[in-house]
Amino acid sequence: KNEVEQSPQNLTAQEGEFITINCSYSVGISALHWLQQHPGGGIVSLFMLSSGKKKHGRLIATINIQEKHSSLHITASHPRDSAVYICAVRSEEGGDSNYQLIWGAGTKLIIKP
Amino acid sequence: NAGVMQNPRHLVRRRGQEARLRCSPMKGHSHVYWYRQLPEEGLKFMVYLQKENIIDESGMPKERFSAEFPKEGPSILRIQQVVRGDSAAYFCASSPGLRSEQYFGPGTRLTVT
Repeated sequence: KNEVEQSPQNLTAQEGEFITINCSYSVGISALHWLQQHPGGGIVSLFMLSSGKKKHGRLIATINIQEKHSSLHITASHPRDSAVYICAVRSEEGGDSNYQLIWGAGTKLIIKP
Repeated sequence: NAGVMQNPRHLVRRRGQEARLRCSPMKGHSHVYWYRQLPEEGLKFMVYLQKENIIDESGMPKERFSAEFPKEGPSILRIQQVVRGDSAAYFCASSPGLRSEQYFGPGTRLTVT
């Protein structure tokens, strides 16, 4: 079983729909990242979370440390939001010397006009 | 403040040639990470460097691959005698500190023919 699991693997929705992408992890973490990758494109860091909730524009990320779960929400989705969304965690093992990210497999999102 | 720069964006090499991938971190960032993304797969950690030092190269193949981050200039990922299996997207990320958010470059897409 992977240490970081994302669901769904693929998601197709209509423009304007509210989107939720989930990330569950099995290790203790010090931080969780949400990143976006467009087809053939680079990777953009969306959020880094260690607790609570963050909002940027139409994107909202939440994390529940006790339940080892995070969600990424997109409100009023648009075709330009079509991308792969990746969850990655930094394990708390190793303390300050731990820098490696454990990556989820990604969720491929397609928003149809 | 320019983001992380990578060049070239696309690189085509014949089997047996050498590939050199460059990464200029964000201003003020002294930590550089290299990741590889094989087609249809997630990112995999390769190597972590600070200025003039390789901190962790546990994700990098022992043969043919090397990385450096000199005092002056960009970080270089070098692949000698490339093979078809080296075809992938290579991403570089930088951060100002060990546990800080990592900022990603646009990637270099290496194709070995």
